Amino acid sequence: NAGVTQTPKFQVLKTGQSMTLQCAQDMNHEYMSWYRQDPGMGLRLIHYSVGAGITDQGEVPNGYNVSRSTTEDFPLRLLSAAPSQTSVYFCASGRKGTGANGELFFGEGSRLTVL
Amino acid sequence: AQTVTQSQPEMSVQEAETVTLSCTYDTSESDYYLFWYKQPPSRQMILVIRQEAYKQQNATENRFSVNFQKAAKSFSLKISDSQLGDAAMYFCAYRSRNGGSQGNLIFGKGTKLSVKP
Repeated sequence: NAGVTQTPKFQVLKTGQSMTLQCAQDMNHEYMSWYRQDPGMGLRLIHYSVGAGITDQGEVPNGYNVSRSTTEDFPLRLLSAAPSQTSVYFCASGRKGTGANGELFFGEGSRLTVL
Repeated sequence: AQTVTQSQPEMSVQEAETVTLSCTYDTSESDYYLFWYKQPPSRQMILVIRQEAYKQQNATENRFSVNFQKAAKSFSLKISDSQLGDAAMYFCAYRSRNGGSQGNLIFGKGTKLSVKP
């Protein structure tokens, strides 16, 4: 019962460094997405994908890059980390459209600190 | 674009009492899902309850129930017999059922619930 797996769970970066947050799901979900959670802001959508080879921007995409080469994986790349990207990041997946009651399944979150 | 508003940043309830968390949303769609997610200090996002807009009957899951008012675009969560383990951040969320917004989940800003022993 792996569900949605995110790695790493914690990471500290220096300004300007790059890194990739990994996300994998084993439920054959078409839809995958990345959110960031900041105090008082709820969860905001960064990027999403509705299938392999298809990605699009969400509400706060600047500074992040994604790709979807397989159904299972949806990595989030920070190209040049900034302190404003200090946050908790969640990956979520689900069936597209009317499938499976609309529920999204979440990873455990990744806490990123940029110094 | 759809929006979700939670007007109560923080709420408090006495153990064994009942509390209601408020949520309103804005949409021009008629077919959608509404959710309440719970986030305890472990930060795991846990689905509490789901409502499909085409169903008039309010969803219920054990001590958790909703008051879904489609015309008023209101979706409140009632927690009965509150327990210490209910203390968490609660998020209301909207998701289109017919592909609108590409099926993205739209969250409110959350309500932090404290439970007093």
